[in-house]
This record gives sequence, structure tokens and C-alpha cells, in this order.
Amino acid sequence: EPEVTQTPSHQVTQMGQEVILRCVPISNHLYFYWYRQILGQKVEFLVSFYNNEISEKSEIFDDQFSVERPDGSNFTLKIRSTKLEDSAMYFCASRENQETQYFGPGTRLLVL
Amino acid sequence: GENVEQHPSTLSVQEGDSAVIKCTYSDSASNYFPWYKQELGKRPQLIIDIRSNVGEKKDQRIAVTLNKTAKHFSLHITETQPEDSAVYFCAASPWFSGGYNKLIFGAGTRLAVHP
Repeated sequence: EPEVTQTPSHQVTQMGQEVILRCVPISNHLYFYWYRQILGQKVEFLVSFYNNEISEKSEIFDDQFSVERPDGSNFTLKIRSTKLEDSAMYFCASRENQETQYFGPGTRLLVL
Repeated sequence: GENVEQHPSTLSVQEGDSAVIKCTYSDSASNYFPWYKQELGKRPQLIIDIRSNVGEKKDQRIAVTLNKTAKHFSLHITETQPEDSAVYFCAASPWFSGGYNKLIFGAGTRLAVHP
């Protein structure tokens, strides 16, 4: 069964550094999402992406964040200048025309 | 704003007992309500979902009920087994065809099933 994949599984970075989190959605899916989960807290919506543009973003998704679909398979989340509070598990999700969103395994980001 | 409240935060049951987790939502436009199970260190996995035109849905030991008037929905697990132990998240979404369908999650319920 096809699954959403994410790399890396873990990322440790210094505050102020740029990080790029990568996702490969399920191949025939059209809608892509990033969510984050701070340790012990709820999963929070960051951004949705469709037809090569952002369709909706949350208040968390400020100017330090960007998303890109550089080719037909990858979907990336970039944080330009990481802050301590960006430490979290970041989940990519995708769906086709139906409602169900399928989540990737996550990237655990630790900002020191 | 959009919010989903989930209770209880932790739930401990004996194997074979039933478990019930409840959620309420604030956005009247919400019409799609999935439940995800997340085992430690793993991705959230969809276990069941319900749409607003249905009041109840069942899949083997798992059932979900929805009360749109009261804006709440519940997950029922019967005959619990140790492998049901996980964190369960409810979510709500104002889904429509062609829409973007972000999920608003509850805070999660940590279910422990003791043998």
C-alpha cells in the first residue's frame, strides 16, 4: 500500500539555521499539508498546498516558513531561521479528491 | 476561532472493557470528523471517520457517533485489547468538494488497556 514518506526522520540544528524538511506524498494525490506536533501537545495545521500554490496557512506559518513542490514528487517545508520554539515533530500529509488525509512518519526537529 | 476539545486526556481500562472518547467542535461548517490512532513514535493512522449526513458509523469493534446539533462526536471501542493502547486524536474539518480540508485536531487521549 502506498505511503507518504518523509526525510530526515530526525534533524538537529542550531538556532538561526535554515532547515528543509522533505516529503514524498502518495503519487496520485493532489492536496498536500504540513502539520506540526510539539511534544505532548496536539497536532496543529500549518499549511495546505494545491495546484502549486498555498491554499491556506495558519498563524504559525509566518514569513520564516515556506513550502515548495520543486518537482512532481517532492513537497518541502523550509524554515529560514529556526527558533527554539520550532522544535517539534513535523508531519506531511496528502490526499486525493476524497477527504482522507494520509500522514507521513514525521520529522523530529530539535533546535538548540 | 476553530477549536476541538477532547476528553478525557487519559483513559485506563481493563482488557475487554469499553472505552469512550468524546470531542466537541466550535465551527458549524465542520462536516467531516476523522479519528486517528497514534502509537508511540509513529504516524497518525486513520481508524474511522464520519460525515455530517450520518449519525453513526461502525467498523468491527470501533464506532463513532455524531450529534451535529450539540456539535459533539464520540469514539467507542468495545472489547478493548492491549494493542488498542495508543493516543487517539479526533479532528474536524469543513470539507467540501474542491476545498482544502485542513484538519483541526483535539488534544488527544492516551488510552491504556491493561491485560
